[in-house]
Amino acid sequence: AQTVTQSQPEMSVQEAETVTLSCTYDTSESNYYLFWYKQPPSRQMILVIRQEAYKQQNATENRFSVNFQKAAKSFSLKISDSQLGDTAMYFCAVNNAGNMLTFGGGTRLMVKP
Amino acid sequence: EAQVTQNPRYLITVTGKKLTVTCSQNMNHEYMSWYRQDPGLGLRQIYYSMNVEVTDKGDVPEGYKVSRKEKRNFPLILESPSPNQTSLYFCASSQGGVGEQYFGPGTRLTVT
Repeated sequence: AQTVTQSQPEMSVQEAETVTLSCTYDTSESNYYLFWYKQPPSRQMILVIRQEAYKQQNATENRFSVNFQKAAKSFSLKISDSQLGDTAMYFCAVNNAGNMLTFGGGTRLMVKP
Repeated sequence: EAQVTQNPRYLITVTGKKLTVTCSQNMNHEYMSWYRQDPGLGLRQIYYSMNVEVTDKGDVPEGYKVSRKEKRNFPLILESPSPNQTSLYFCASSQGGVGEQYFGPGTRLTVT
């Protein structure tokens, strides 16, 4: 079984500042993928960023980047230049070759003006 | 437009009354899945399907049924709903099980 833990239920950040959301996971698979999903108040699940476990280079998508530490099984999300539209629930997830997608409990992020 | 659709979006029902939530995708994806979202627990996988006529249990399959008779459709069936199945349900699809999953808009189910 695989597990995903997000230790920060809620976080807040001032607009234009940087915030980091934490995620740790556990899986016995050697080949897996990691994701961060955003869920705004509309409830739609939106993919923010993905990382293949076999790639050492950290993924980056515009203002969003990850710090992937494979040995530590850590996958944190950094949001730079935070915007009001970043206010949402953020879910970390791991997907292995067995097609099981496991989510963490989520972190509610509030961006303050 | 590539999308996953779910119907209904909102449903209030009573204990024991059978219901079906439909899910359809227009991206020709092989892989489809159902999740339920509860506060503090994130999304938990109920069932998934790797292809037509191939389904398997996820983490929380009890009380649910699925079928995959066509590639585009993956309905979720609650034969005898109970109040502990009150939740927000998401359908998702992807091309292959490890790729990005595309989510439907969600179905808010309340069982009284």
